[in-house]
Amino acid sequence: RKEVEQDPGPFNVPEGATVAFNCTYSNSASQSFFWYRQDCRKEPKLLMSVYSSGNEDGRFTAQLNRASQYISLLIRDSKLSDSATYLCVVNNVRNTGFQKLVFGTGTRLLVSP
Amino acid sequence: NAGVTQTPKFQVLKTGQSMTLQCAQDMNHEYMSWYRQDPGMGLRLIHYSVGAGITDQGEVPNGYNVSRSTTEDFPLRLLSAAPSQTSVYFCASSRTGGGIVRETQYFGPGTRLLVL
Repeated sequence: RKEVEQDPGPFNVPEGATVAFNCTYSNSASQSFFWYRQDCRKEPKLLMSVYSSGNEDGRFTAQLNRASQYISLLIRDSKLSDSATYLCVVNNVRNTGFQKLVFGTGTRLLVSP
Repeated sequence: NAGVTQTPKFQVLKTGQSMTLQCAQDMNHEYMSWYRQDPGMGLRLIHYSVGAGITDQGEVPNGYNVSRSTTEDFPLRLLSAAPSQTSVYFCASSRTGGGIVRETQYFGPGTRLLVL
């Protein structure tokens, strides 16, 4: 089982639509959670961190469910500029005490006019 | 601040050649890491470092070496290039709080490597 799993998509939605992505993770000891955005042939960039209480940033809302070990991202009022790949990221602490960030393969979103 | 810089942007190697991918950051970040990204595989961690002199292996370390002699630099060495190492390589850095990466990972622009 992959440490972080996402539906690769693509999700094709019209402008103005609401779209949601889910991500599941396997390590219950994971401590930090993030959503990153990656545009074609570019580097990933942080979209938002995900907190246990849920958090919102403009049109974007992130939720964390520790019991079920999944993270969600909701995008409201989709814009053409939202077209990108969205990466789910979790932080795993190894038995050495070191930690590593594990990236999902990403969910591709295409917003059409 | 330049952020995270990577050189070169593009590289073509022949099988068996060695090379070093350079990565530098000017944000005084403790945590640095190298990833490779392949179609359908997502970003996979090669090696990472939690500070100068401290490195550890990620998911796919074979064929790569790293060292961290300074906080700023984290070079990735390909010992003997193979076609399977054709990929896009990203370097990233971040601060750590209490030893935990809770903050933004800043990525470099990537190095596109083709091994023939």
